[in-house]
Amino acid sequence: DAKTTQPTSMDCAEGRAANLPCNHSTISGNEYVYWYRQIHSQGPQYIIHGLKNNETNEMASLIITEDRKSSTLILPHATLRDTAVYYCIVRVRDAGKSTFGDGTTLTVKP
Amino acid sequence: GAVVSQHPSWVICKSGTSVKIECRSLDFQATTMFWYRQFPKQSLMLMATSNEGSKATYEQGVEKDKFLINHASLTLSTLTVTSAHPEDSSFYICSARDLEGTGGDEQYFGPGTRLTVT
Repeated sequence: DAKTTQPTSMDCAEGRAANLPCNHSTISGNEYVYWYRQIHSQGPQYIIHGLKNNETNEMASLIITEDRKSSTLILPHATLRDTAVYYCIVRVRDAGKSTFGDGTTLTVKP
Repeated sequence: GAVVSQHPSWVICKSGTSVKIECRSLDFQATTMFWYRQFPKQSLMLMATSNEGSKATYEQGVEKDKFLINHASLTLSTLTVTSAHPEDSSFYICSARDLEGTGGDEQYFGPGTRLTVT
């Protein structure tokens, strides 16, 4: 699986958009970008994934650059409950297992 | 979405005893499950891949005789920590692979089990 690089921590004001970047410059053509988050002392929660097109669901939007070497997860209106560690993972679709990096600790402040 | 449960959610045991942790896929069949371990302020580390009806595949550095994995059915995998010691205290998380869901091949995580060995 390709290695990812994320900032260690970020702050965001409640109600504002949170933009979490991820670099994956060695991503292969068949690898997807997945985002999970982990709230303290809980299991990871799936957020969104994509291959090359931008994706949006009820939780977030995923913007992938045209060269696929980086992506940004966007939480459009962050709430205090969005405070968590966010993990960006790249893997092939049928690999199953996920390799977790250190992630980004997002703190949403009132 | 698909739900994965773990039992127990937390357990305290004495050094030298064995502890079994269960991972269940509640609304889908999972031929493959994964076990992760997470120490405080660290990321998840994959321990092993559990395949229904066959032996588990362990990651490098994980003792297979200490961490026994059994995946006897399509909805249940168990992790047994044998002869537990304080250094085994950790947060153990399982995930299950759903090949038949609407999203295709997806991985869903359990809530985790906090093990404390005294």
